[in-house]
This record gives sequence, structure tokens and C-alpha cells, in this order.
Amino acid sequence: DIQMTQSPSSLSASVGDRVTITCRASQRIGTYLNWYQQRSGKAPRLLIFAASNLQSGVPSRFSGGGSETDFSLTITRLQPEDFATYFCQQTYGDSWTFGQGTKVEVK
Amino acid sequence: EVQLVESGGGLVKPGGSLRLSCAASGFTVSDASMAWVRQPPGKGLEWLGRIRSEAEGGTTDDAAPVKGRFIISRDASKNTLYLQMNSLKIEDTALYYCATMLHIRGVNYWGQGTQVTVSS
Repeated sequence: DIQMTQSPSSLSASVGDRVTITCRASQRIGTYLNWYQQRSGKAPRLLIFAASNLQSGVPSRFSGGGSETDFSLTITRLQPEDFATYFCQQTYGDSWTFGQGTKVEVK
Repeated sequence: EVQLVESGGGLVKPGGSLRLSCAASGFTVSDASMAWVRQPPGKGLEWLGRIRSEAEGGTTDDAAPVKGRFIISRDASKNTLYLQMNSLKIEDTALYYCATMLHIRGVNYWGQGTQVTVSS
């Protein structure tokens, strides 16, 4: 299976900060990479699909980039509702996997 | 409006079986690729597998930790997705989500989850 490694595992930030989370794949996956947000006690929510495409209804302060093995999720001007855990997911081939998650906490 | 409602979770002893259901509305399950994802308490998301749409062949893919024990299926007449879980282990304790990928290769709709606890 393809392993997905996110970094950092957690970070502390303030409202208005720019935050970047990275995700590394154990093999090349093209742009078969999605990002999800999960707020406490809620189901995950798709933010970005195919590495850089913003899902409908997601604020434009979220953006994604990268290809093959290295990907990033950036949140510009962090808002109070953005404190949550973020997961990457690869969808290359038949066996899909998630990263371990990155928790964005209040500084 | 797309909705997914899971049911069937509960407490089961190690070695036991359980079948989860996911009632879908707003779309037809046979027209969509659907999946199960779980989340152990305090931990991350784990992909369990998916069933492709009928147009894609209707085949299933299962993740290695559950291969041979969990079976994904659907009943088009009930517009429902299922997860049959056999030979349950303590480490299968988790919140189980039903999910669907409509028109994109990512989960754009999730259920609210159903809790499964495996304990003696």
C-alpha cells in the first residue's frame, strides 16, 4: 500500500496566520491527492481534490498544490472555524489511504 | 439533497459479526462509487474499501487490515450500502462512516457515522 506521511502532526497558530501542511507519498501518485478537514465530533469534509481543485463551497483561503510525491495544503488568513484536523488521502490505483492527520490548534 | 444515514452499530464480542447499513437518498447507490471509512477513538481515518458503480463494473476493493473479514455490498432496490463485518477484533472498535464519491475521485458526501465497539 502507498503510505502517506503528513507533517507536522500538530501545529499552533493564531487567527490571521498563514498555515501550510505537507503530505508526502511513498511512491509517485500524480495528482491523485485529496485534502479533508475534520472538526471535533464531526464527519470529515472534502476541501481539495486532485491536488489543487477547490471543492464547491470551500472558502478560497484554502489552496492545494504539488504532484507525484510532495503535496501541500495552505490556509491563508486562518479563521476561528479552521481550527481542526486535516487529512490528506491518495486515490492512486485501487487501494486508497489517508495520512495520519495534522491538528491545527490555537496558539 | 444527498444524505447518507448509517445504522447497525453496537457492542459485539471478539469473533462476532455485525452488519452495518447505509441508507442513501438524493442519488442512486448503483450509479455511484461508495465506500466505508472508520476512525478509532482519538485516532485518524482508515480507508476500508469501496464498491464501484455498476457502470464501472460494480467491483469492490478492500483494505489489507480487513481483507477477507469485511464485505462491502449494496442493494439497489433499497438504495442501501452494507458492510458485513466478520471475525471482529478489539482493534475494529471505531466510528464507521459511509461515504460516496459523486463525480469526483474524492469523498464529497459522508454519513454521520455509527459506533462499533468490540469488547468481551
